[in-house]
Amino acid sequence: AQTVTQSQPEMSVQEAETVTLSCTYDTSESNYYLFWYKQPPSRQMILVIRQEAYKQQNATENRFSVNFQKAAKSFSLKISDSQLGDTAMYFCAFTSGTYKYIFGTGTRLKVLA
Amino acid sequence: DAMVIQNPRYQVTQFGKPVTLSCSQTLNHNVMYWYQQKSSQAPKLLFHYYDKDFNNEADTPDNFQSRRPNTSFCFLDIRSPGLGDAAMYLCATGRIEGSTEAFFGQGTRLTVV
Repeated sequence: AQTVTQSQPEMSVQEAETVTLSCTYDTSESNYYLFWYKQPPSRQMILVIRQEAYKQQNATENRFSVNFQKAAKSFSLKISDSQLGDTAMYFCAFTSGTYKYIFGTGTRLKVLA
Repeated sequence: DAMVIQNPRYQVTQFGKPVTLSCSQTLNHNVMYWYQQKSSQAPKLLFHYYDKDFNNEADTPDNFQSRRPNTSFCFLDIRSPGLGDAAMYLCATGRIEGSTEAFFGQGTRLTVV
């Protein structure tokens, strides 16, 4: 069975600093996709960044980047220059050919002014 | 600009009284999902449709049913809501091709009184 694990229930970071959220997963598939989703309080879940497993290059979207270690089955999210608007629940998610999305338990990130 | 729309945003129902939540999409995606999310937990997949093909998760209670009359609309029916069914219900859509990200609606928060 495929699983996604986020071992940090809560984190905090000072505004303008950098924070890294961890995610590990388990699968026997060779081709799959990994995502980080952001869910602000009482707001819609939106995609932050996506990584295709067959691509070795780490994905980057502005202040957000990932460290994808396929052999270690690790997929961490780095947020640079943290902003107050980054305060949210962050979910790591996985999908393969079954087109089901499997989510981790989330990391609640608080950015401090 | 809304792409996945859930109605209502907030729903209060009485214990045991059937309730229906609705979801519509303008993305023309062939997959639609219903997730249940309890406070600060990972979204839990209840079922999904691939076109008109219905796929139920093994641990989804029989109390939960779904209908997809056409590509754009999907409904979640809770036949006899219990207090334990109080949660946020998230609708999402996705495409098979390329395993792109899932797009989420804003959710319906269900309260059972």
